[in-house]
Amino acid sequence: ETGVTQSPTHLIKTRGQQVTLRCSSQSGHNTVSWYQQALGQGPQFIFQYYREEENGRGNFPPRFSGLQFPNYSSELNVNALELDDSALYLCASSSGGPNEKLFFGSGTQLSVL
Amino acid sequence: QKEVEQDPGPLSVPEGAIVSLNCTYSNSAFQYFMWYRQYSRKGPELLMYTYSSGNKEDGRFTAQVDKSSKYISLFIRDSQPSDSATYLCAMTLNRDDKIIFGKGTRLHILP
Repeated sequence: ETGVTQSPTHLIKTRGQQVTLRCSSQSGHNTVSWYQQALGQGPQFIFQYYREEENGRGNFPPRFSGLQFPNYSSELNVNALELDDSALYLCASSSGGPNEKLFFGSGTQLSVL
Repeated sequence: QKEVEQDPGPLSVPEGAIVSLNCTYSNSAFQYFMWYRQYSRKGPELLMYTYSSGNKEDGRFTAQVDKSSKYISLFIRDSQPSDSATYLCAMTLNRDDKIIFGKGTRLHILP
């Protein structure tokens, strides 16, 4: 186990709703990244937070937003859910600055109906 | 052309065989190369992390990077049924940039 915990493990929402996913990073890690992994695909970078500031964003619309808290835990918020948002959402933490070796949590499986 | 290409498999090999997994990429500026293993319903787990060209060995695993050919490989010796998983290659331009993943190759080791 990596020490990165995510909640909830599974979630079912309907189109148009909003969702908040949570992540507790591994002890001592100050960087959190979020990835979306669709079925049969590799993870795609959503954004990264380093010491509470957004530090890079992938090709995702503004309805995907995030926060990092002083204890380095993080939230991913998705507004106006679409069917294509159904995926495994992965949180990864690292220490020593952005993009040092990433340690992933087990993810939140989001289904949008 | 996708930035990172990886054959999705599945790849089935008998226990004890040598496994070869590969990725090609299009951006010659990539400098850091990684291999992750992902079991079903789990997050990816870092296996190998290398910088630039060359080989790196860790136990039964060997990672190779050939920047001139834009080709990376992971070799698994003495494969075990517990190695059955999806293997993701990944790479990044530098330590401050986003990581780009391949689609992953599903590997089955047959007892």
